Amino acid sequence: DGGITQSPKYLFRKEGQNVTLSCEQNLNHDAMYWYRQDPGQGLRLIYYSQIVNDFQKGDIAEGYSVSREKKESFPLTVTSAQKNPTAFYLCASSSGGQRQETQYFGPGTRLLVL
Amino acid sequence: GNSVTQMEGPVTLSEEAFLTINCTYTATGYPSLFWYVQYPGEGLQLLLKATKADDKGSNKGFEATYRKETTSFHLEKGSVQVSDSAVYFCARGNFNKFYFGSGTKLNVKP
Repeated sequence: DGGITQSPKYLFRKEGQNVTLSCEQNLNHDAMYWYRQDPGQGLRLIYYSQIVNDFQKGDIAEGYSVSREKKESFPLTVTSAQKNPTAFYLCASSSGGQRQETQYFGPGTRLLVL
Repeated sequence: GNSVTQMEGPVTLSEEAFLTINCTYTATGYPSLFWYVQYPGEGLQLLLKATKADDKGSNKGFEATYRKETTSFHLEKGSVQVSDSAVYFCARGNFNKFYFGSGTKLNVKP
């Protein structure tokens, strides 16, 4: 079955620690996205990538970093510079381009600070 | 600007009631419009979409019509079920980015 997988489902971070959230897709999509969702809130865009080896900052990129070395993978690192990382993180992908194609979402990773 | 505004929740209905969740957008040009649904602890699932004016998206009894003259994309369902309880997000495409509304929580009571 084609889809998007995110791991882990829950992740705990200690003060001053960097953590990496995994996102993998087998939909052969060019574009991938990371969103942050806080309780009772909508989605805010962290980073997005339209093609391998290229990515752009979204609306709340500070304290986060990404890489896009493979088409199917778009890991997100939450760095120690992100002072309020507790949230639900959602990865999405689309076929990309200029046609505003549908975004498909993974199941999410919940990040908690110890 | 580019934004999406949807009615605040929670919306509480009895089973078989009629549902409307309002969504309006601001945009230049002709964006694609989407409704997504999120069940507790899960990611978002596409519910329906419309790509041009006067298009009607529909799925699982839900409908929404792309109204360019009122810049709206209201979600409707004639008879809700308990299993429809979830958070609903309106979204618009903008080339390589999406803009999401803040979400509307729907509670359906038996």
